[in-house]
Amino acid sequence: AQTVTQSQPEMSVQEAETVTLSCTYDTSESDYYLFWYKQPPSRQMILVIRQEAYKQQNATENRFSVNFQKAAKSFSLKISDSQLGDAAMYFCAYRSLGGGNAGNMLTFGGGTRLMVKP
Amino acid sequence: NAGVMQNPRHLVRRRGQEARLRCSPMKGHSHVYWYRQLPEEGLKFMVYLQKENIIDESGMPKERFSAEFPKEGPSILRIQQVVRGDSAAYFCASSPQGTRGYEQYFGPGTRLTVT
Repeated sequence: AQTVTQSQPEMSVQEAETVTLSCTYDTSESDYYLFWYKQPPSRQMILVIRQEAYKQQNATENRFSVNFQKAAKSFSLKISDSQLGDAAMYFCAYRSLGGGNAGNMLTFGGGTRLMVKP
Repeated sequence: NAGVMQNPRHLVRRRGQEARLRCSPMKGHSHVYWYRQLPEEGLKFMVYLQKENIIDESGMPKERFSAEFPKEGPSILRIQQVVRGDSAAYFCASSPQGTRGYEQYFGPGTRLTVT
């Protein structure tokens, strides 16, 4: 079974600065998707960015980018020019592309709470 | 285009009562997933349904929990004889297809409190 680990329970960043959130995962598969979701105080889960494992190029969405290291099974999220609205819980998630039921679910890490200081 | 709808947003039940949580997927989506989030934890998969079929219930507790997605109407997650440990946020997600690669779009969740 796949596992996803986020080793930073809390992080803080000064407004306009850059912060990196860490995520590692364990899998024996070669094809899969990785996601970062944001959960603000409203508790709505918002997809931030997606990475396909077969792509070597790191995904980027505006101020959000990832550093995907497949061999190291690492998938960190970098937030540039942090804004007050970025304050939230961030969850890393894995989705298998393998057969059977494994691809039906997202497997989430425990989350990192990001605080943004004005 | 309305997103995934869940109701109620908050539900309070006394121990032993039944809880019914409803989820209406996004328009055009026929695949529904339920997840549970305990306090200070990530989301945990419970069940995956298509219309009138349970495809994968590997994350569902063996007793007291059931789910359905009828041909007409919302998906229902039902918890019988609730206990304090059932207090959590329950999220529904939907996708247009269950095949690999399609994102799951999440609803706002239902926060269940068992007193």
